[in-house]
Amino acid sequence: GAVVSQHPSRVICKSGTSVKIECRSLDFQATTMFWYRQFPKQSLMLMATSNEGSKATYEQGVEKDKFLINHASLTLSTLTVTSAHPEDSSFYICSARDQTNQPQHFGDGTRLSIL
Amino acid sequence: LAKTTQPISMDSYEGQEVNITCSHNNIATNDYITWYQQFPSQGPRFIIQGYKTKVTNEVASLFIPADRKSSTLSLPRVSLSDTAVYYCLVGLTSGGGNKLTFGTGTQLKVEL
Repeated sequence: GAVVSQHPSRVICKSGTSVKIECRSLDFQATTMFWYRQFPKQSLMLMATSNEGSKATYEQGVEKDKFLINHASLTLSTLTVTSAHPEDSSFYICSARDQTNQPQHFGDGTRLSIL
Repeated sequence: LAKTTQPISMDSYEGQEVNITCSHNNIATNDYITWYQQFPSQGPRFIIQGYKTKVTNEVASLFIPADRKSSTLSLPRVSLSDTAVYYCLVGLTSGGGNKLTFGTGTQLKVEL
């Protein structure tokens, strides 16, 4: 149980392209989803918290107009990296939680490479 | 958010028991302690979670002293496939938000 699916697993695209990453909870309803970014040899850094039906809460220093988050249903959250540039290249990971007192479960990440 | 401190790295051999200790001196009353395992280019995988005393599941045990200012993840009889980064996190699991802050993690290397 508690499976989180993330798609695509890898994206390579040109600078200026917008990229959408999907995060789905397959066997549970996720009231809250989280988006992280991880650079090589570093830890995960929380970017934003996504609550179903409301606006996402962004961490300090994360541009909300750059990283658009939509959590339209209890099983799907999307992260769109708008007008991506090489510095946006990173490993993006989502997680989801179904209810209180339960741990977060993570997707397998999306490797984004901007040329 | 409670900050955690773990050893940067640990080495072990197959078949040994590995104990990774995490310090979280300013853990809040409602915070749970959660451990994750991460392999390269994969998302973290949940290992175990606890609030106090001892928790055991099929893969690990978690020991939490009465003051809850630290916790120890115990991996019995490790194998090469247990080579990974292990993260200790503390955070409010109940209620809204539930932000988890990842520390540096512990790189465990298991050798033959």
